Amino acid sequence: DQQVKQNSPSLSVQEGRISILNCDYTNSMFDYFLWYKKYPAEGPTFLISISSIKDKNEDGRFTVFLNKSAKHLSLHIVPSQPGDSAVYFCAAIYYDKVIFGPGTSLSVIP
Amino acid sequence: DTEVTQTPKHLVMGMTNKKSLKCEQHMGHRAMYWYKQKAKKPPELMFVYSYEKLSINESVPSRFSPECPNSSLLNLHLHALQPEDSALYLCASSQLGQGAEQYFGPGTRLTVT
Repeated sequence: DQQVKQNSPSLSVQEGRISILNCDYTNSMFDYFLWYKKYPAEGPTFLISISSIKDKNEDGRFTVFLNKSAKHLSLHIVPSQPGDSAVYFCAAIYYDKVIFGPGTSLSVIP
Repeated sequence: DTEVTQTPKHLVMGMTNKKSLKCEQHMGHRAMYWYKQKAKKPPELMFVYSYEKLSINESVPSRFSPECPNSSLLNLHLHALQPEDSALYLCASSQLGQGAEQYFGPGTRLTVT
């Protein structure tokens, strides 16, 4: 049973436009949510996180929005750059565990 | 230094071999993790060490044996693996405490023949 879902396996966006990656979760006990970015043959790299008591966190081009009532979060990347092309994992922290979603492959087209 | 290093990068082993994967971090993190990642799947947690003690074992078969000799090192000893154990093995570390992000190493690509 998937507790963290990313229903879009892939997304293509034009360079300079906004990329919106979505994530849904089922467990209302999750404390924190994180986004990781992964290039092939590398480990995931932490991007941005949000506590369950907040609804928005911003860091440069990356903004994460959390809608607790809908159990939904999204990552906005503005403006998108070709170097952003990677697999993006949404993850939730529950005690010491990090539970990853299946990932969304983002392609930013120059 | 925000790096987690893993050796070797690639490993091919037979089903009767014994080998070890190594992970090192010098960020002063007191939590360290082993994950397994199959192609086109998310990382799956295997083990968590807190203060050099095993705190979580996600029902991993005993042919995988973790070891944390000190706060900077984490090993994964492998014995009598199966071909389906072929995967990318990722090590991560983090501060202890709520919401602490994990820093991942580049992984070891393991192939069991």
